[in-house]
Amino acid sequence: NAGVTQTPKFQVLKTGQSMTLQCAQDMNHEYMSWYRQDPGMGLRLIHYSVGAGITDQGEVPNGYNVSRSTTEDFPLRLLSAAPSQTSVYFCASSYSGRSYGYTFGSGTRLTVV
Amino acid sequence: AQTVTQSQPEMSVQEAETVTLSCTYDTSESDYYLFWYKQPPSRQMILVIRQEAYKQQNATENRFSVNFQKAAKSFSLKISDSQLGDAAMYFCAYRRYSGNTPLVFGKGTRLSVIA
Repeated sequence: NAGVTQTPKFQVLKTGQSMTLQCAQDMNHEYMSWYRQDPGMGLRLIHYSVGAGITDQGEVPNGYNVSRSTTEDFPLRLLSAAPSQTSVYFCASSYSGRSYGYTFGSGTRLTVV
Repeated sequence: AQTVTQSQPEMSVQEAETVTLSCTYDTSESDYYLFWYKQPPSRQMILVIRQEAYKQQNATENRFSVNFQKAAKSFSLKISDSQLGDAAMYFCAYRRYSGNTPLVFGKGTRLSVIA
């Protein structure tokens, strides 16, 4: 089925470890973004991309890197995990037309111990 | 920067009754889009309804409707004939009309449905 695929669904990291959260979409969406969801904070934007080779920072970018080498993939890298990065992470995509809402992945629950 | 405020962290409603969730936003733009998303316990984000700011008519999707008051910058969601499956977190979101800009979310309202 067409949609946004996030892997893994759950992950436990030790402080200082690095990892990559994967996100792929097969809808030819130009726009992709990463959000983190914390209790009482809603969804906060980490990074976003308006097309292959173009990325920009969101509200909470520190500690995260992204790249967009293809239209389909938008991985999120944690360089040195910290307990403050314990959260649920969502990848989302949309066409560049602004009237479209986003299509979301199913999320990754990350715990940093 | 645009901000979205949901002033009700939690709400509850009796099954079959009607409930209204509030959302206000701050913007200097005249054209924009507004959305309501539902997040059930499964964690999946589901688009419930969208509204274009240039349309005066309020959007409706089955039991879900909005009250869009552009001058007041208010965008409330009304759920009629509430069902147990409506229990979820609800997020209000804003997107600018111009440029490739991301969605800005409110902090959410947790809705409980009482049988």
